[in-house]
Amino acid sequence: KAGVTQTPRYLIKTRGQQVTLSCSPISGHRSVSWYQQTPGQGLQFLFEYFSETQRNKGNFPGRFSGRQFSNSRSEMNVSTLELGDSALYLCASSSQGGHQETQYFGPGTRLLVL
Amino acid sequence: GNSVTQMEGPVTLSEEAFLTINCTYTATGYPSLFWYVQYPGEGLQLLLKATKADDKGSNKGFEATYRKETTSFHLEKGSVQVSDSAVYFCALSNAGGTSYGKLTFGQGTILTVHP
Repeated sequence: KAGVTQTPRYLIKTRGQQVTLSCSPISGHRSVSWYQQTPGQGLQFLFEYFSETQRNKGNFPGRFSGRQFSNSRSEMNVSTLELGDSALYLCASSSQGGHQETQYFGPGTRLLVL
Repeated sequence: GNSVTQMEGPVTLSEEAFLTINCTYTATGYPSLFWYVQYPGEGLQLLLKATKADDKGSNKGFEATYRKETTSFHLEKGSVQVSDSAVYFCALSNAGGTSYGKLTFGQGTILTVHP
């Protein structure tokens, strides 16, 4: 099976712009989670989608949003970018999003905000 | 809420040395516990996991035992290799409607192994 894929791998944006990141889960996986990784805050949970519904959300401002399509592919959007949004954004997929399941991570999208 | 605390790094070892990375957690109920590894420029890979107390996860010579009495999940390897140099993350996932698809991570421990 192909692993989790994320596009693009690298992005450079300027403050105030918006950005959309894409994630394709492992075939058959219906749960997709997103994380932000920064040197200062570490790995933080953004949100989780299952069957096109957001089931769980972390403590991030409303500028961070996401969606999931019927084929389980997911996108996340960040509007009005700030310098502090520079980070590695990771998505992960699992079969059902259950707490005993392994989450499989993609390689990440590295976002730099200038 | 849930939290994970890892020993501070970085950890520097010589090849064939014994490795221990401490991990303790705070959580209600019976969380599942994971160790993930991140190599430079890559995403996270599962190293091992344990889903109930006293379970031992193992993979590639690494081991960790879920100790509920001490709320710990310490990672060990008897003989490290240069190729084990990476960042190691301890994480937990709890049951319940507010926990779907959510891993809570420790801050990560950088391991460098010298020949």
